[in-house]
Amino acid sequence: KNEVEQSPQNLTAQEGEFITINCSYSVGISALHWLQQHPGGGIVSLFMLSSGKKKHGRLIATINIQEKHSSLHITASHPRDSAVYICAVGGGATNKLIFGTGTLLAVQP
Amino acid sequence: EAGVTQSPTHLIKTRGQQATLRCSPISGHTSVYWYQQALGLGLQFLLWYDEGEERNRGNFPPRFSGRQFPNYSSELNVNALELEDSALYLCASSLAYPQPQHFGDGTRLSIL
Repeated sequence: KNEVEQSPQNLTAQEGEFITINCSYSVGISALHWLQQHPGGGIVSLFMLSSGKKKHGRLIATINIQEKHSSLHITASHPRDSAVYICAVGGGATNKLIFGTGTLLAVQP
Repeated sequence: EAGVTQSPTHLIKTRGQQATLRCSPISGHTSVYWYQQALGLGLQFLLWYDEGEERNRGNFPPRFSGRQFPNYSSELNVNALELEDSALYLCASSLAYPQPQHFGDGTRLSIL
């Protein structure tokens, strides 16, 4: 069993839909990251959070430390949101990130 | 502010050769991280450098090594290249832990 599990693996949405991507982890962490990877490989760090909720534009990330679960929400989705979204957890003195396998999101116009 | 820069963008080598990948962190960042993303696989942690020292390494053979220079830039060296080393190698940098990591665009290494 992977230490970081994401669901769904693939997601197709219509423009304007509300999207949720989930991440569950089984290790103790000090922070959870949500990353966005566009075709071609470039990665953008969207959020780093250790508790509660963060919002940036149309993106919202929440984390429940007790349940070891995080969600990434995209409101009013747009085709330019199409990308792979990756959850990664890190913690402790190792500062090592453990990555989920990613969620491939395709938003159709 | 310039982001994390990696060079080269693409690198083609043959089996047995050695490859050197370079990373310049965001100005002021002291930590540099290296990750491997092989085709069809997720990102895997390779190495973490901070203040010139290797702080942690992932589950990779000793053929993978690197260093961090006094200006905090970093090199990743891969010796005795094997076909399965073909991957996108991503570098990230951050301020002292725990701070968000900022990623470069990667170096795509192809082994023929």
